[in-house]
Amino acid sequence: DAKTTQPNSMESNEEEPVHLPCNHSTISGTDYIHWYRQLPSQGPEYVIHGLTSNVNNRMASLAIAEDRKSSTLILHRATLRDAAVYYCILRDGWGGGADGLTFGKGTHLIIQP
Amino acid sequence: DAMVIQNPRYQVTQFGKPVTLSCSQTLNHNVMYWYQQKSSQAPKLLFHYYDKDFNNEADTPDNFQSRRPNTSFCFLDIRSPGLGDAAMYLCATSRTTGGRGLETQYFGPGTRLLVL
Repeated sequence: DAKTTQPNSMESNEEEPVHLPCNHSTISGTDYIHWYRQLPSQGPEYVIHGLTSNVNNRMASLAIAEDRKSSTLILHRATLRDAAVYYCILRDGWGGGADGLTFGKGTHLIIQP
Repeated sequence: DAMVIQNPRYQVTQFGKPVTLSCSQTLNHNVMYWYQQKSSQAPKLLFHYYDKDFNNEADTPDNFQSRRPNTSFCFLDIRSPGLGDAAMYLCATSRTTGGRGLETQYFGPGTRLLVL
């Protein structure tokens, strides 16, 4: 899977929007962009994924650059419960199979009350 | 309505004493994974089962083995735990679709292994 680059940490205030960037300049045409997060002392959980178009779900929004070399996870109104490590992961959508996720270092999101 | 269950949450073993970690799922997913997460590091895939087919990562030590007796259960066996094997062990599941890019993985809460 192609490599991603994320800031080590970010800090935001409660009830404000948060924009978490991810660079993936070597992304291929069949790579999907996935985001997972890991809350303290818990297993990772799926947040959102997309291919080319921006995506929204109940947890977050995913904005994908037109050239697909970067993306941004948007938490519209952060709460203390959103404090976690956020991982941006590329997944090749070509063919079948069930390979595991390759986690990078992720972004440690700190939410201030 | 727990979906991926790992028990116990904490496991203590002695150096060199075999230990087994367990995972069960209620999702009826055909793929089950084991990840190792050491302190302050990202999870790292050890191996996975695609139905009954075992797929080992190239750099997973021989000390780690796995069993999947049926769809719902998967076990991680550590034959001779060393101090360096102390970590959080995460189980995950997924249902394969037409492409990997579409599948979501569901993780359990993990078992934290302490080696004395």
